[in-house]
Amino acid sequence: GENVEQHPSTLSVQEGDSAVIKCTYSDSASNYFPWYKQELGKRPQLIIDIRSNVGEKKDQRIAVTLNKTAKHFSLHITETQPEDSAVYFCAASAGTASKLTFGTGTRLQVTL
Amino acid sequence: GAVVSQHPSWVICKSGTSVKIECRSLDFQATTMFWYRQFPKQSLMLMATSNEGSKATYEQGVEKDKFLINHASLTLSTLTVTSAHPEDSSFYICSARDWGPGRVTGELFFGEGSRLTVL
Repeated sequence: GENVEQHPSTLSVQEGDSAVIKCTYSDSASNYFPWYKQELGKRPQLIIDIRSNVGEKKDQRIAVTLNKTAKHFSLHITETQPEDSAVYFCAASAGTASKLTFGTGTRLQVTL
Repeated sequence: GAVVSQHPSWVICKSGTSVKIECRSLDFQATTMFWYRQFPKQSLMLMATSNEGSKATYEQGVEKDKFLINHASLTLSTLTVTSAHPEDSSFYICSARDWGPGRVTGELFFGEGSRLTVL
């Protein structure tokens, strides 16, 4: 089955700096890669996703890049703000209808 | 976005009792729902895929007799933790995909989660 690894497990940045979280996956059939943000005690919320037919996608301060050859994808958050502090999960699936396999999560702390 | 509601949000029970958690899609129909388990500071682990009108598909290592799943309608799936023990204490989250018009294809929406504590 699919295996998704995520790094780093914790990340602390100063407000205004950029944050980068990286994930690798094992199943070459995977073609859908969403990123979720989970605040303490709350449900995960989709923040951005990318499909294998594109290499990069951007939505305001958030961007995701995908390298299919190397089987890795990354989340980039620019101009970080305190409200960006949360746990971020990457995930992968072979098609949007298939089950998602989640990474281990990255706890992002944005300090003032 | 689409709304997935989960109930109860937290429950405390005695060891040996059974607990039922409900997951509802409030504004869309879901033929498939997913049940995840999340331990503190850990990732979401898929337990099973709930299929409307048929048996659930369980992930390897998940006891189907322990975690009973029923998906009786297009808007409701239930997870029953039978004969609960302290090691079953966890955060259980359901999710469903909304394929309705205007939705990001296959976007997965999560319920609020249910925190189970078994004494």
